[in-house]
Amino acid sequence: DTGVSQDPRHKITKRGQNVTFRCDPISEHNRLYWYRQTLGQGPEFLTYFQNEAQLEKSRLLSDRFSAERPKGSFSTLEIQRTEQGDSAMYLCASSLAGYSYNEQFFGPGTRLTVL
Amino acid sequence: DQQVKQNSPSLSVQEGRISILNCDYTNSMFDYFLWYKKYPAEGPTFLISISSIKDKNEDGRFTVFLNKSAKHLSLHIVPSQPGDSAVYFCAARKVGGGSQGNLIFGKGTKLSVKP
Repeated sequence: DTGVSQDPRHKITKRGQNVTFRCDPISEHNRLYWYRQTLGQGPEFLTYFQNEAQLEKSRLLSDRFSAERPKGSFSTLEIQRTEQGDSAMYLCASSLAGYSYNEQFFGPGTRLTVL
Repeated sequence: DQQVKQNSPSLSVQEGRISILNCDYTNSMFDYFLWYKKYPAEGPTFLISISSIKDKNEDGRFTVFLNKSAKHLSLHIVPSQPGDSAVYFCAARKVGGGSQGNLIFGKGTKLSVKP
């Protein structure tokens, strides 16, 4: 399967704990995006990488959130000191740069539940 | 302030009939529009897109229409099939002008196709 993969698929944690999610994009895609989706809402943009450079962050990304994409391949999203409001589906997407009208391909998401 | 609006949370259609899903946007800088389909516990799957230089794009049973003056687009599914039952998200992005291409999503419309 050469699609976007995410790990883990589900994560249950207690408030105050740190969690880390991983995303593996489609191999030839150099752009990688993180989105968050809560119940009844569409996905909301969090941050974006082109290769290893983090080029844009949403105001939704508080200082408890950090994302990395070492070597421009996989990416990790870490949430420190989780809060119940962080409970959501975290989605990763990838696309090709260089062609403006290109779609983003999404992974299956990581569902986070903070107790 | 929702820049992409899907005002119908749900739609029920008989198998074989046409499904019409609507989407309105407010930002005149958007010039690329996409529809994604989402099944429960999966990430969004790209369906069809349209750039602002066109007013119609067709792919099999799926056609997207764009009315720029009204800032409105619609997705037509003909004929509808039970397997089309899913949540459909409308998304928009700005292309060029320094935009990094993150998508702005609507809240989604849940389509149910009854046999």
